[in-house]
Amino acid sequence: DIQMTQSPSSMSASLGDTVTITCLASQDIGNYLSWYQQKPGKSPKLMIYGATNLEDGVPSRFSGSRSGSDYSLTINSLGYDDEGIYHCHQYYEYPFTFGSGTKLEIK
Amino acid sequence: EVQLVESGGGLVQPGRSLKLSCAASGFTFSNYYMAWVRQAPKKGLEWVATISTSGSRTYYPDSVKGRFTISRDNAKSSLYLQMNSLKSEDTATYYCARHGNYYDGTYYHWYFDFWGPGTMVTVSS
Repeated sequence: DIQMTQSPSSMSASLGDTVTITCLASQDIGNYLSWYQQKPGKSPKLMIYGATNLEDGVPSRFSGSRSGSDYSLTINSLGYDDEGIYHCHQYYEYPFTFGSGTKLEIK
Repeated sequence: EVQLVESGGGLVQPGRSLKLSCAASGFTFSNYYMAWVRQAPKKGLEWVATISTSGSRTYYPDSVKGRFTISRDNAKSSLYLQMNSLKSEDTATYYCARHGNYYDGTYYHWYFDFWGPGTMVTVSS
């Protein structure tokens, strides 16, 4: 199975900051990676697919990138609404696997 | 508006069975692969099952293979998950999710573009 190592597990940042969350794939997954935001008690929401494609309706402050086996989600100009848990997900091959999640707190 | 609504969760004893349902609306259900994804309390997400548009192909991780069965009724726009021989480690919120269908010219992308609110399954004696 493909392992997705996500970091950091938690982070705290201030309003207006820029943050980056990273997932390292244990083997090549091409661009078959997505990112989700999850608020407490809610279901995940798709933010990025294909490693770099912004889902419709998601603010352009969010962006995805790839460098080899490292995949990153960057959030610019942090706002209170960005607080939550972020998950990466590889769908290159079965079984689909997720990262362990990053809890983002806004100070 | 795309809507997915799960039902059927609850408290069940280890070794027993439970069937979850997901009612879909706001899109042409028969055109999309569908899936179940679960999340144990305070844990990460785990993919549980995927089914093709016609229902002829199904996929599972080893953790549930042979115990869980995903199915669909396109006429009713409904997705199901039959869970047998339940274990305590199956305790989780179960989400119904729609697979996206973005095609990059080579392959389809199987991310999850819409999720239901989830239904809680607790396996305990």
